[in-house]
Amino acid sequence: EADIYQTPRYLVIGTGKKITLECSQTMGHDKMYWYQQDPGMELHLIHYSYGVNSTEKGDLSSESTVSRIRTEHFPLTLESARPSHTSQYLCASSDGGALNSPLHFGNGTRLTVT
Amino acid sequence: AQSVTQPDIHITVSEGASLELRCNYSYGATPYLFWYVQSPGQGLQLLLKYFSGDTLVQGIKGFEAEFKRSQSSFNLRKPSVHWSDAAEYFCAVGGLGNEKLTFGTGTRLTIIP
Repeated sequence: EADIYQTPRYLVIGTGKKITLECSQTMGHDKMYWYQQDPGMELHLIHYSYGVNSTEKGDLSSESTVSRIRTEHFPLTLESARPSHTSQYLCASSDGGALNSPLHFGNGTRLTVT
Repeated sequence: AQSVTQPDIHITVSEGASLELRCNYSYGATPYLFWYVQSPGQGLQLLLKYFSGDTLVQGIKGFEAEFKRSQSSFNLRKPSVHWSDAAEYFCAVGGLGNEKLTFGTGTRLTIIP
């Protein structure tokens, strides 16, 4: 089993609130990723990191931000939540990169913004 | 641009029957191709991947997939499904110089007794 943890598992929050979705991994992987998943839709990469102090935006435009201060920790922050942010957010990590090593996924955070 | 099409949104199969899930990809060079599985309430897990070599690749849980360049396809197969195979299956494509995988929309597999 992959050791990658996401908290909270479910979150219901009002519009305008600031939220942080936590993601931690204990495998020492340099590469970490955030995907957004909606029912019946493909997974969209919204952020990725190749190591400490490295962050990049993915293919899907997102109003969220990320940080990578420690190897094991890759939190995602929404400064002002909106109903359009309602979705499932999946965090993943990889040892050698998505092409050469499996992506290890967390169980996701299901976010609902009311 | 790379893309993946999974034409079947939902498939229902009897336990013990064979399974084939379809995946078509678009990529300008030699693709890296993957199948991931997502059980309810969990993250995705890699089943198998292909980059080069034998076009029939074996994965975990008894799954296999065949790469057909002429058809731009990478279909997933299993000879005899088990109730525990009920899940959502995602095909993905990537390529050298671009580690950002592109996932399909997924196929939900239901197993009936």
